[in-house]
Amino acid sequence: ILNVEQSPQSLHVQEGDSTNFTCSFPSSNFYALHWYRWETAKSPEALFVMTLNGDEKKKGRISATLNTKEGYSYLYIKGSQPEDSATYLCAFWLYSGGGADGLTFGKGTHLIIQP
Amino acid sequence: GAGVSQTPSNKVTEKGKYVELRCDPISGHTALYWYRQSLGQGPEFLIYFQGTGAADDSGLPNDRFFAVRPEGSVSTLKIQRTERGDSAVYLCASSLGGTGGYSPLHFGNGTRLTVT
Repeated sequence: ILNVEQSPQSLHVQEGDSTNFTCSFPSSNFYALHWYRWETAKSPEALFVMTLNGDEKKKGRISATLNTKEGYSYLYIKGSQPEDSATYLCAFWLYSGGGADGLTFGKGTHLIIQP
Repeated sequence: GAGVSQTPSNKVTEKGKYVELRCDPISGHTALYWYRQSLGQGPEFLIYFQGTGAADDSGLPNDRFFAVRPEGSVSTLKIQRTERGDSAVYLCASSLGGTGGYSPLHFGNGTRLTVT
């Protein structure tokens, strides 16, 4: 059983503040790490797909880093805005043998931006 | 272009009944995934298709659950003898596939199944 742990489970942040949260995953047989944003009443939306140790990805005010050797990824949001309120999911893709076995998701970090 | 389409968006059924949930992926996406999300949990993997075949069905909880993708496009998730514990949001996603992992998943809006 793969364990993908996300912390914190929920987070309240003041509008304008920056924040970050963590995704931990098994460090062996790494293949890819995905981040998704899931807003209420919408479907999850891909933010980043990260594959290489030391990867850093950026999309507007949101960025992510990846450390495959120690098994963690950080998601950063700079200058939080109300529209950033969502559940942020990370998902780990395990490589095994001749192919990949699908994504295992964490439980998510529920981010609430307070005006 | 059209995204991933799931029907119905909501389904209420009685315990013991049979239900079918449909997913229409993005055209050209060879990989298709079914996930289930219960309250307070992240999406739980059920099954993954590459083309017409199930590449990994290890997430199906028991033999009441079955999924097909006969022509490599639309997929149907079938649940027999539904139980109250099957109540959840069932998410479908598709991706370009290939070796997997490197392509982001595109999700549908989900089907909310309620078993009474």
